[in-house]
Amino acid sequence: DQQVKQNSPSLSVQEGRISILNCDYTNSMFDYFLWYKKYPAEGPTFLISISSIKDKNEDGRFTVFLNKSAKHLSLHIVPSQPGDSAVYFCAASGGSGGSNYKLTFGKGTLLTVNP
Amino acid sequence: GAVVSQHPSRVICKSGTSVKIECRSLDFQATTMFWYRQFPKQSLMLMATSNEGSKATYEQGVEKDKFLINHASLTLSTLTVTSAHPEDSSFYICSASGHLNTEAFFGQGTRLTVV
Repeated sequence: DQQVKQNSPSLSVQEGRISILNCDYTNSMFDYFLWYKKYPAEGPTFLISISSIKDKNEDGRFTVFLNKSAKHLSLHIVPSQPGDSAVYFCAASGGSGGSNYKLTFGKGTLLTVNP
Repeated sequence: GAVVSQHPSRVICKSGTSVKIECRSLDFQATTMFWYRQFPKQSLMLMATSNEGSKATYEQGVEKDKFLINHASLTLSTLTVTSAHPEDSSFYICSASGHLNTEAFFGQGTRLTVV
């Protein structure tokens, strides 16, 4: 049973435009959400996170939105750059305050930003 | 962010042999380490959680006698795949977190191929 779902396996966007990556979850105990970026044959790198007490968190070009009632979150990247091309994983944790509790990952979305 | 080093990055071994993967936190004390496994086009699946000085907690379906985890010090955890089979071929990733960390930091991953 997939508790964290990324229903789009891939997304292609033009450079300079907005990339929107979506994630849904089913476990209402999750209270901390993270986005990771991953290149082939490398470990994930942390991008941005959001606690369930918030509905938005912004860091430079990256913004994460959380809709608790819909159990949905999204990552917005604007403007998108070719270097953003990678697989993006959504992850969730039931340990409040951080990812030093075990994470449950989605399957990832491959983002391709075309020049 | 903090640095987690995983070694080796790639390993090829013969069926029936054992392989050890190391995960080191280079600039912080990792009280908790996590081991993940990723199959192609799949999400990262948590295999086990290890706390320094105590036995690892394995996720359901993960054979603890096959995947031996040792977290003997605050900077090192090892995963040993015993009597490896071709179906154990996968990408293994560790992450580490310390007392003062709200985030877990990932190693670079190890591509294991069993022939």
